[in-house]
Amino acid sequence: GQQLNQSPQSMFIQEGEDVSMNCTSSSIFNTWLWYKQDPGEGPVLLIALYKAGELTSNGRLTAQFGITRKDSFLNISASIPSDVGIYFCAGQPWTGANNLFFGTGTRLTVIP
Amino acid sequence: DAEITQSPRHKITETGRQVTLACHQTWNHNNMFWYRQDLGHGLRLIHYSYGVQDTNKGEVSDGYSVSRSNTEDLPLTLESAASSQTSVYFCASSSSGGADTQYFGPGTRLTVL
Repeated sequence: GQQLNQSPQSMFIQEGEDVSMNCTSSSIFNTWLWYKQDPGEGPVLLIALYKAGELTSNGRLTAQFGITRKDSFLNISASIPSDVGIYFCAGQPWTGANNLFFGTGTRLTVIP
Repeated sequence: DAEITQSPRHKITETGRQVTLACHQTWNHNNMFWYRQDLGHGLRLIHYSYGVQDTNKGEVSDGYSVSRSNTEDLPLTLESAASSQTSVYFCASSSSGGADTQYFGPGTRLTVL
């Protein structure tokens, strides 16, 4: 199956710092999604991207759909303790497909 | 409020036993999915269904089966549990609108001894 390479695998940052993580694929995707997973919970959708080059924000979160359609980036500004969790990227292979391929996740720790 | 639930939340079983994990959603979504989550692999698709009586194999379907007899439920069955199936299992559902509307359940942690 398709594997999305997500980096970094883990991050330890001070509260207030900005965070950047990215996801790359050998295949083209039509949609890129970013999820956050809290301990003991299922993933929750943060941002969805539908067009190459698209830049979308959700509060302190900003994500971009790479021009090549093979990558995506997520930035978190001014991190706070509740940002702790695992962040996953996911790609939808074609418009209308209901299956997603997930990255391996970035575990974020925010030090107060 | 509409929701998606999974049961049990935790399960310990023995190798060779049959195990069924339940997933129930009240959004009336047509599409339902089962994923497993393992360290280093993220979430991998096991089976999915686009409606009643429809089932499809995902990336890692060997050793698993599903059935869809109504809109609300998609139980996942491990016919003969193996230690390699120790994992956290997530169910998700979506409307026909596409993958971005997938809502995930809280997960079931399964341990096969």
